[in-house]
Amino acid sequence: SQTIHQWPATLVQPVGSPLSLECTVEGTSNPNLYWYRQAAGRGLQLLFYSVGIGQISSEVPQNLSASRPQDRQFILSSKKLLLSDSGFYLCAWNRATGTEAFFGQGTRLTVV
Amino acid sequence: AQSVTQLDSHVSVSEGTPVLLRCNYSSSYSPSLFWYVQHPNKGLQLLLKYTSAATLVKGINGFEAEFKKSETSFHLTKPSAHMSDAAEYFCVVSESRFSGGYNKLIFGAGTRLAVHP
Repeated sequence: SQTIHQWPATLVQPVGSPLSLECTVEGTSNPNLYWYRQAAGRGLQLLFYSVGIGQISSEVPQNLSASRPQDRQFILSSKKLLLSDSGFYLCAWNRATGTEAFFGQGTRLTVV
Repeated sequence: AQSVTQLDSHVSVSEGTPVLLRCNYSSSYSPSLFWYVQHPNKGLQLLLKYTSAATLVKGINGFEAEFKKSETSFHLTKPSAHMSDAAEYFCVVSESRFSGGYNKLIFGAGTRLAVHP
């Protein structure tokens, strides 16, 4: 069976510090990978998606970047965090020819 | 372009009474539709999905949804609410892009369900 791991679960970082959130998928190959952000009381906003190693597409301009160094690894990064980067970040995957996505447990990021 | 509208941001029911969470979508072709549930500070769990098979879809935990093309709706129902159903629910439509088989999920804003004793 497939599983998705996302860490850390919670993170408190000062403004201007770097960020690295990691997500890995097990039990499948060549998944589509996604990073979403969920602000308090709001729906999910798609930040990045990837259909293969080194292939990253951004949905919205922002202070964040994403990388996919391995087939089942997806990393969300920032060089300098802003207060507005606070939120709940979710990693997800689905099959290239499938439809529904499967989500990690999320990372609660608080920038202070 | 596809979009999803969840008609209620908050729904409150008593334990043991029916649940109705409303969702309307817009799509230029036959969509795939989903309902996800999110408990506080947790990831999203798939409740059920519609992918052009039976229009009445049964999911986990006693939930079901009916796809009505004429009304462009995909409302989520449950006959009898349980305290553990209190959570946020998201209606989602899948937008297929043929380049690379990428399937973009369009999320509604969510409906927070409260269940009272």
